[in-house]
Amino acid sequence: ENVLTQSPGTLSLSPGERATLSCRASQSVGSSYLAWYQQKFGQAPRLLIYATSRRATGIPDRFSGSGSGTDFILTISRLEPEDLAVYYCQHYGGSSLTFGGGTKVEIK
Amino acid sequence: EVQLVQSGAEVRKPGESLRISCKTSGYNFDTYWISWVRQMPGKGLEWMGRIDPRDSYTNYTASLQGHVTISVDKSISTAFLQWSSLKASDTGIYWCARHGVPVAPDKFFDFWGQGALVTVSS
Repeated sequence: ENVLTQSPGTLSLSPGERATLSCRASQSVGSSYLAWYQQKFGQAPRLLIYATSRRATGIPDRFSGSGSGTDFILTISRLEPEDLAVYYCQHYGGSSLTFGGGTKVEIK
Repeated sequence: EVQLVQSGAEVRKPGESLRISCKTSGYNFDTYWISWVRQMPGKGLEWMGRIDPRDSYTNYTASLQGHVTISVDKSISTAFLQWSSLKASDTGIYWCARHGVPVAPDKFFDFWGQGALVTVSS
């Protein structure tokens, strides 16, 4: 099983700042098989990014994804108050669909 | 409009059985795999297993194999998650989610249900 480790655990930033969230895999991941989700408190997760860098329908362009191999990044270019949430990466190749432990983004 | 609507919150005692549902609409039910994801209180997301509605082929994460069963009823475009003997550690929120590409088992999830809280307590 490919274990995904997200860092930092919590990120506290001010509106307008840039957020950089990391997802590291224990085994190499094909670039087509890495997604990011946003989960606001009390809500279902929402797909942000799939295939490492492709934005899902309706996702603002301040969200972007990058990476390859074992290291992937979700960037929120200019934080807005509504970006308060937990963000999860997911590997979806093969027999198991694993999630990282999540990064909580707090807005100062 | 694609929708996944889950059944409501449930409270059960350890050892009891339970089946929760995920009714879909707005797309061809046969065409997209469905997965179930759990979230224990205050914790992250954990993939449980998936089903191909065309033939009810399933596979599960190793730790839950034999403890839960995923099924579908194509006539009502609904997926199910069931337990024959609940444990207190099954307490959590359960989400159904549609795979984002047709007839593909290993994909991201593009639409999610609203979640169902299951509480198992004596």
